[in-house]
Amino acid sequence: RKEVEQDPGPFNVPEGATVAFNCTYSNSASQSFFWYRQDCRKEPKLLMSVYSSGNEDGRFTAQLNRASQYISLLIRDSKLSDSATYLCVVRLSGGYNKLIFGAGTRLAVHP
Amino acid sequence: AAGVIQSPRHLIKEKRETATLKCYPIPRHDTVYWYQQGPGQDPQFLISFYEKMQSDKGSIPDRFSAQQFSDYHSELNMSSLELGDSALYFCASSPPRGPNYQETQYFGPGTRLLVL
Repeated sequence: RKEVEQDPGPFNVPEGATVAFNCTYSNSASQSFFWYRQDCRKEPKLLMSVYSSGNEDGRFTAQLNRASQYISLLIRDSKLSDSATYLCVVRLSGGYNKLIFGAGTRLAVHP
Repeated sequence: AAGVIQSPRHLIKEKRETATLKCYPIPRHDTVYWYQQGPGQDPQFLISFYEKMQSDKGSIPDRFSAQQFSDYHSELNMSSLELGDSALYFCASSPPRGPNYQETQYFGPGTRLLVL
């Protein structure tokens, strides 16, 4: 079982739709949580960090439930340019620890 | 703003050859991470360095080695290459801890290695 699990999708949605991605992690020592975005054959780019209180950045809202070890990302008013793979990422506590990636959820926004 | 630089961007090698990948972190970043992403896979952590010392080790094969130099750049040395080593190799860097520290890792554009 992977340490970070995501629905691989693809999610095919029309422009303007609201779409939600979910992610679960298995290691309770996970300390930091992120959503990264990766376009085809490009490097992962940080979309947003995820905080326990939930956080919002424009059309993007991230939530963290530590008790359920569950992370979510909500995208409102989808744009064509949102089409990408969204990677759920955790980092364990302590030191200079590696990032552990989920397999990613593919989003395709169509006109 | 300056980003992580990786070279070469593309590399073709034959089985049993060696390869060296280079990573130049964002200026003033002191930690470097290496990740391997196979086709259709998520990035897998290989190894990291902080202040020129290995700080964490992941699924890096014994055929691979890496180091961080005094100018903080890092090199990943790969020997006895196998077909399965064909992948995208990303380097990421993160800034020093201190006031307003953000633990974000910033990824370079990657080196695409093809082993024939």
